[in-house]
Amino acid sequence: GDSVTQMEGPVTLSEEAFLTINCTYTATGYPSLFWYVQYPGEGLQLLLKATKADDKGSNKGFEATYRKETTSFHLEKGSVQVSDSAVYFCALSDRAGFQKLVFGTGTRLLVSP
Amino acid sequence: EADIYQTPRYLVIGTGKKITLECSQTMGHDKMYWYQQDPGMELHLIHYSYGVNSTEKGDLSSESTVSRIRTEHFPLTLESARPSHTSQYLCASSEEGLTVTGYTFGSGTRLTVV
Repeated sequence: GDSVTQMEGPVTLSEEAFLTINCTYTATGYPSLFWYVQYPGEGLQLLLKATKADDKGSNKGFEATYRKETTSFHLEKGSVQVSDSAVYFCALSDRAGFQKLVFGTGTRLLVSP
Repeated sequence: EADIYQTPRYLVIGTGKKITLECSQTMGHDKMYWYQQDPGMELHLIHYSYGVNSTEKGDLSSESTVSRIRTEHFPLTLESARPSHTSQYLCASSEEGLTVTGYTFGSGTRLTVV
């Protein structure tokens, strides 16, 4: 079945460092891809999305490009802030059946001043 | 602003008690979901619903039950809570075009069974 693989965390960075969180997927057909963010004590919020190959999703300085040839959707940010400390989930839409989202296991990001 | 609401945010309850976790959304979404999130952060789908009077079990077996009598309301019930039920429970909803819109999540209920 469809699946999402994320790099394990925690990812620990200093403020203003460059961020990459890797995400690769396995899917039949052409899923949509999502990044969600979860701040401490909260639910998940949609951060960005891409619905077809070569699309770039962006929001709040974060970017991710849908790469069909490498089945990847890596999350990047040029300069992280302490307030970006959170857990980040990569997900794809399962186009079969109920069309549920399939989530990765999450990557915790810790940004220090 | 349309949103999805979960109550309570935090609940500490004794073993054997019956509890209901509430989830309501104002967006008119037909599809709703319950996830259990373990301390390692991983999300496990435990229940979902296509619409009124439709409920299905998810990928992770759960002793909880759900009902969907109204479009906006999707409560989760544990008849007899146990310490193994201690977890964060997240409710979500989506509109028909899931592949474009994704899910909208509530803030979660953190349940502790002592």
